[in-house]
Amino acid sequence: EAGVTQSPTHLIKTRGQQATLRCSPISGHTSVYWYQQALGLGLQFLLWYDEGEERNRGNFPPRFSGRQFPNYSSELNVNALELEDSALYLCASSFSGIMNTEAFFGQGTRLTVV
Amino acid sequence: DQQVKQNSPSLSVQEGRISILNCDYTNSMFDYFLWYKKYPAEGPTFLISISSIKDKNEDGRFTVFLNKSAKHLSLHIVPSQPGDSAVYFCAATPRASYGKLTFGQGTILTVHP
Repeated sequence: EAGVTQSPTHLIKTRGQQATLRCSPISGHTSVYWYQQALGLGLQFLLWYDEGEERNRGNFPPRFSGRQFPNYSSELNVNALELEDSALYLCASSFSGIMNTEAFFGQGTRLTVV
Repeated sequence: DQQVKQNSPSLSVQEGRISILNCDYTNSMFDYFLWYKKYPAEGPTFLISISSIKDKNEDGRFTVFLNKSAKHLSLHIVPSQPGDSAVYFCAATPRASYGKLTFGQGTILTVHP
């Protein structure tokens, strides 16, 4: 069974540009979560989507946004990129809202803003 | 405001000995706790969890202890193996199905042969 897949693996953008990160959940999972891991910090919760709706949002500015498609895949968009947005962005999926033992993470997208 | 803290950035242990990783939390609403392990270039993988109704949970070489009065949990790995070398994150949530986890900063465990 395929795990959570994220693309691209690495992304380099210039300050002020927009970045789009993609996530495909495990088959059967309806919830997708996005986390940011900046250097020296733990995983910071960004967004939770379930059944196409945004269910919860972390303490990030509005230029971090996303959506979930009918097939439950998800996009994370970061507008007006800043240098401090450079981080590893992790996506996880689970059955509806069960962010515990049943959640699985992808390998992440390394975003570098120059 | 760091609600989940792992105060030791790194830990070095000899193979066969016990590894003890610690985690403190401040939010008394947290009642479900998890440990994740992360290797370089991979996403975190779930290791073990504990509900606040328990004070101990074991799974093979891994045991998690919860001290609610001290708002402290620890992960014990016995015996430690070189393959256990990774970054360990503790995480907490108010409910098992809340949809959001609050993570600590992580502890880098190195197990020497």
